[in-house]
Amino acid sequence: DAGITQSPRHKVTETGTPVTLRCHQTENHRYMYWYRQDPGHGLRLIHYSYGVKDTDKGEVSDGYSVSRSKTEDFLLTLESATSSQTSVYFCAISRQGYEQYFGPGTRLTVT
Amino acid sequence: QQQVKQSPQSLIVQKGGISIINCAYENTAFDYFPWYQQFPGKGPALLIAIRPDVSEKKEGRFTISFNKSAKQFSLHIMDSQPGDSATYFCAASSIGNQFYFGTGTSLTVIP
Repeated sequence: DAGITQSPRHKVTETGTPVTLRCHQTENHRYMYWYRQDPGHGLRLIHYSYGVKDTDKGEVSDGYSVSRSKTEDFLLTLESATSSQTSVYFCAISRQGYEQYFGPGTRLTVT
Repeated sequence: QQQVKQSPQSLIVQKGGISIINCAYENTAFDYFPWYQQFPGKGPALLIAIRPDVSEKKEGRFTISFNKSAKQFSLHIMDSQPGDSATYFCAASSIGNQFYFGTGTSLTVIP
């Protein structure tokens, strides 16, 4: 998985609780991305980063925030989890903004 | 509005046959068109990609055909094998900007 780890790999949480997912890379790539994958929707971009402290919104950013204080770490936070955020979350990295390499994913269930 | 439309949703092919998956896009600013392969429980893996300055790119049994005027591109898998059974996603992007993925095609290759 191209030097990308995601933690946790599985999480079950209750509605209304905050949740933080972590993506860690050892490739020193500039770009990092958070996607969610849902049946019938494919992969949809939540947020992405083009450098330390530089982030931008994707097409489904509502209810999510991100932070990137180091090149190797990109955090995704659900401030108050809802059942609609039950999904599989993938982190991806890219050196130049083209080829993306994906992590193993985090399966999040909000009850 | 879906930026990239992918078809078919599912495909069944006999071993040795040709698998064809199609995608269409609207945004003429897109200049990078990758295909990803995903096995159950794994993250998507980059399979092959094309830029709009060429009409075809081949890597082994996988070929992308690109029609700029029609704003369409397709993945051809020659001599399909049971090990090719997976979900395939097309995507489109312009450098440094967000990727838009198709909704995926579930390919089953029957021995």
